[in-house]
Amino acid sequence: QQQVKQSPQSLIVQKGGISIINCAYENTAFDYFPWYQQFPGKGPALLIAIRPDVSEKKEGRFTISFNKSAKQFSLHIMDSQPGDSATYFCAASVEGSARQLTFGSGTQLTVLP
Amino acid sequence: NAGVTQTPKFRILKIGQSMTLQCTQDMNHNYMYWYRQDPGMGLKLIYYSVGAGITDKGEVPNGYNVSRSTTEDFPLRLELAAPSQTSVYFCASSPTAYEQYFGPGTRLTVT
Repeated sequence: QQQVKQSPQSLIVQKGGISIINCAYENTAFDYFPWYQQFPGKGPALLIAIRPDVSEKKEGRFTISFNKSAKQFSLHIMDSQPGDSATYFCAASVEGSARQLTFGSGTQLTVLP
Repeated sequence: NAGVTQTPKFRILKIGQSMTLQCTQDMNHNYMYWYRQDPGMGLKLIYYSVGAGITDKGEVPNGYNVSRSTTEDFPLRLELAAPSQTSVYFCASSPTAYEQYFGPGTRLTVT
């Protein structure tokens, strides 16, 4: 049973536009929500993460918005660049068990020049 | 620092063969993880370890075994390979169990 649902599966954005990727979770025990970025042929790399005690976290052009009551969180990429073209995964974890990550299914982002 | 290294990069196995995927990290991280990534499915945790000598099952452990005799190494053993184990395997490590650092992956095909 998938516990973190991610959408859309793929996204095409023009350079300079805003990319938005959404995730919804079911397990209310999740208390850490990272986003990972993966380029072809590479392993995922942590991009940004949020805890449920804040509603938004911003790092450069990347922002996570978190809605605890709706059990949803999203990644916003402002001023999207061709170099942002990659697959993005949301994830969630709970305290204990080495914080096993439950991943979403991924969004393939293409930013057109 | 080399970070997390994995060998081999690619491997083709015949059904029923066995192999070990190697993972080494040089960051002195206590936490280590093995994931598999299937197309369109995200990553699923196979096994994890919180330190040398301590391992535990993740979401999809069947058909795999691990050991952790040192802090640096966390090999994944496939016994009696099956086509369902065709996947890309990623090893990761973490100092705190929060930020996980992934290796470059091993692409395995079982035919």
